[in-house]
Amino acid sequence: GESVGLHLPTLSVQEGDNSIINCAYSNSASDYFIWYKQESGKGPQFIIDIRSNMDKRQGQRVTVLLNKTVKHLSLQIAATQPGDSAVYFCAETDSWGKFQFGAGTQVVVTP
Amino acid sequence: EPEVTQTPSHQVTQMGQEVILRCVPISNHLYFYWYRQILGQKVEFLVSFYNNEISEKSEIFDDQFSVERPDGSNFTLKIRSTKLEDSAMYFCASSVLALNEQFFGPGTRLTVL
Repeated sequence: GESVGLHLPTLSVQEGDNSIINCAYSNSASDYFIWYKQESGKGPQFIIDIRSNMDKRQGQRVTVLLNKTVKHLSLQIAATQPGDSAVYFCAETDSWGKFQFGAGTQVVVTP
Repeated sequence: EPEVTQTPSHQVTQMGQEVILRCVPISNHLYFYWYRQILGQKVEFLVSFYNNEISEKSEIFDDQFSVERPDGSNFTLKIRSTKLEDSAMYFCASSVLALNEQFFGPGTRLTVL
């Protein structure tokens, strides 16, 4: 049968503004989380990771926040640029290799 | 900068045929992974591999799938008898440590007719 594509939520952001992308996870035993960026036709690209013993981690222009109480992860991108336009998704694991991926959010940066 | 490479970029095969997808992970990495992404769907974990053994595998990774590291550089995914629903992008990834940054290859688009 015909496969139905995911209808990704879209976040439209003005260039220079900050972006916040959210991810809810279901496995309370997950202890390692990654945010990926995927541009059209390319493989996922690692952005930032965080372990469950932390609630915040900062990288270059990006910050990941982890709230284990409500099983929520967010990615903040500061001063969003046109090159940030992509699908962003989170991944989680409670072991060292078996990752569960979120569906993703389409970020569109407008000039 | 070192990168993960995958060949071929696109593979077309008939249903029931065997395919082998090839990956060359980054040379000093110890952990290797295969993922797939059906068009328009989310990325799905297939298998992880360390020390010449499968460490974890998903429900998707049934008896039709196998992985191998035949030499010091290649990491392969074999699908024994392809089905229409195996059509997807297959990504290989590698990392230095277990819970660590994974570097993805560009993917192989598998089309099963």
